[in-house]
Amino acid sequence: AQSVTQLGSHVSVSEGALVLLRCNYSSSVPPYLFWYVQYPNQGLQLLLKYTTGATLVKGINGFEAEFKKSETSFHLTKPSAHMSDAAEYFCAVSDRVAGNNRKLIWGLGTSLAVNP
Amino acid sequence: DGGITQSPKYLFRKEGQNVTLSCEQNLNHDAMYWYRQDPGQGLRLIYYSQIVNDFQKGDIAEGYSVSREKKESFPLTVTSAQKNPTAFYLCASAPGAENSPLHFGNGTRLTVT
Repeated sequence: AQSVTQLGSHVSVSEGALVLLRCNYSSSVPPYLFWYVQYPNQGLQLLLKYTTGATLVKGINGFEAEFKKSETSFHLTKPSAHMSDAAEYFCAVSDRVAGNNRKLIWGLGTSLAVNP
Repeated sequence: DGGITQSPKYLFRKEGQNVTLSCEQNLNHDAMYWYRQDPGQGLRLIYYSQIVNDFQKGDIAEGYSVSREKKESFPLTVTSAQKNPTAFYLCASAPGAENSPLHFGNGTRLTVT
């Protein structure tokens, strides 16, 4: 069965610093990969996704992620953190259940704090 | 604007009562999902539906029930059999294509005392 590991349940950075949120997955075949962001008391919003093709994926709000098959990783980065980036970030991997059904496997999330 | 509407935002119930959470979407999506979110546990799938009048249990379906009588609606009932119902509940939808991302509502926070 697939699994998703997000290293670090809490990450704290200074405003303007690099943001790096780690995600590793286990899968026997290349999966579809997603990063979502959740602001307090709200639903989740898609940041970016990898399906096929270019391994460096650009998303909204200046975030990007690189799919590294050899490392089974899909780490999320942003060159310069902004106060508004403070939120919970979730990595997810698709798992083909049967037929056209698709089930997402979720990481436990990483809470990002941005210090002034 | 198209989207997913969950209501109410906050819900309070006494132990032993059933409660129904509403989820409506106007995105014309085929698939709909219910997740439960608890601190430190990420998202756990309760039920999902790929088409009208059909739904499947997720990982934690015990104590919950759903219906899918209309494409745009997927209500979740939290029954008195659910041992620990206090949580944040998220509804989501997707077009149904294999790699399509989920669209989420803003959630309902249920507190049972």
